[in-house]
Amino acid sequence: GDSVTQMEGPVTLSEEAFLTINCTYTATGYPSLFWYVQYPGEGLQLLLKATKADDKGSNKGFEATYRKETTSFHLEKGSVQVSDSAVYFCALSARGRGGGADGLTFGKGTHLIIQP
Amino acid sequence: DTGVSQDPRHKITKRGQNVTFRCDPISEHNRLYWYRQTLGQGPEFLTYFQNEAQLEKSRLLSDRFSAERPKGSFSTLEIQRTEQGDSAMYLCASGILLGHEQYFGPGTRLTVT
Repeated sequence: GDSVTQMEGPVTLSEEAFLTINCTYTATGYPSLFWYVQYPGEGLQLLLKATKADDKGSNKGFEATYRKETTSFHLEKGSVQVSDSAVYFCALSARGRGGGADGLTFGKGTHLIIQP
Repeated sequence: DTGVSQDPRHKITKRGQNVTFRCDPISEHNRLYWYRQTLGQGPEFLTYFQNEAQLEKSRLLSDRFSAERPKGSFSTLEIQRTEQGDSAMYLCASGILLGHEQYFGPGTRLTVT
């Protein structure tokens, strides 16, 4: 079945450091890929997405590129802030019956801690 | 612009009792999803609806779990004869056909004592 693997946390960085959170996936066909973020005490929020190979999703300074050849969707940010401290989830969605998205398959999450 | 809402936000129940959760999706979203999230893990898919039709159920959804979306708007998730292993955060999300994105509610935290 489908699966998502992301790097173990917690990841601790200093403010303004470069961030990479690795994500690789296993899926049949051509899934859509997502990064969701969960800030302390809040619900899951969509951060960015990519729906086909070589697409780059971007939002709030974060970027991720859909790499079909390496089945990866790594999250990057050039300069992190304390406010980026959160849990980040990589997820995929396979196209199901009716043509729309079936349930998301999530990784276990990576806890990011940014120190001032 | 209201997002996905869930009620209640917290539920404490004794083992063996039945519980029911409600989810109100974003209006005009015809897809509605239920997930379960335990501490330190990512959400796990349980089931989803397109309008009132339940199109897929995960193997995680035992016979004690049932979900409905009778009029294609709000949905309920019922757990019968709760067990301690049912303690988790139950998340609801909604989306549109072919839209891919799913928008999540705040969740209902269930504690079974």
